[in-house]
Amino acid sequence: EIVLTQSPGTLSLSPGERATLSCRASQSVSGSYLAWYQQKRGQAPRLLIYGASSRATGIPDRFSGSGSGTDFTLTISRLEPEDFAVYYCQQFLGSSRVTFGQGTKVEIK
Amino acid sequence: EVQLVQSGAEVKKPGESLKISCKGSGYSFNTYWIGWVRQTPGKGLEWMGIIYPGDSDTRYSPSFQGQVTISADKSISTAYLQWSSLKASDTAMYYCARSYDTSYFDYWGQGTLVTVSS
Repeated sequence: EIVLTQSPGTLSLSPGERATLSCRASQSVSGSYLAWYQQKRGQAPRLLIYGASSRATGIPDRFSGSGSGTDFTLTISRLEPEDFAVYYCQQFLGSSRVTFGQGTKVEIK
Repeated sequence: EVQLVQSGAEVKKPGESLKISCKGSGYSFNTYWIGWVRQTPGKGLEWMGIIYPGDSDTRYSPSFQGQVTISADKSISTAYLQWSSLKASDTAMYYCARSYDTSYFDYWGQGTLVTVSS
């Protein structure tokens, strides 16, 4: 099983600042099968990024994903008030072998 | 508009059975996979399994194989997650979600909270 480790656990930033979230895999994630989700309190996760760097439908361009192999990054260029939430990465190594990271909380400083 | 609407919260006793549902609309239900994801404070998000309603091809995470059953009724665009004998450790929020190729989920249901307590 691939273990995804997200860092930091919590990111305290102000609106307008840049957020950089990391997701490191215990082994290489093939074909850039890496996705990012946003989850707000009391809501279901929402897909932001798939294929490591492709934005999902309707996702603002302030969200961007990058990386390959074992190191991936989600960047929010300028934080809006609605961006304060928990973010999860997820990898796919074939169906039945899908895992999520433990999450990074982006909170208002 | 794509929607996945899940059944309501459940409170059950250990040993009881349960089947929760996820109804899809706004897209061709038979041609997308439906997966189930468990969320708990302790273990976070866990991928449980996935089904292709078109032919009922079903895959399970090794952690959940034998513990739950995933099924679908394409005639009513509904997928199911069921337990034959619940445990307290099954207490969690359960989400269904849609996937084109099993690699990621693009739409999620609102979640079903399952509480198992004596």
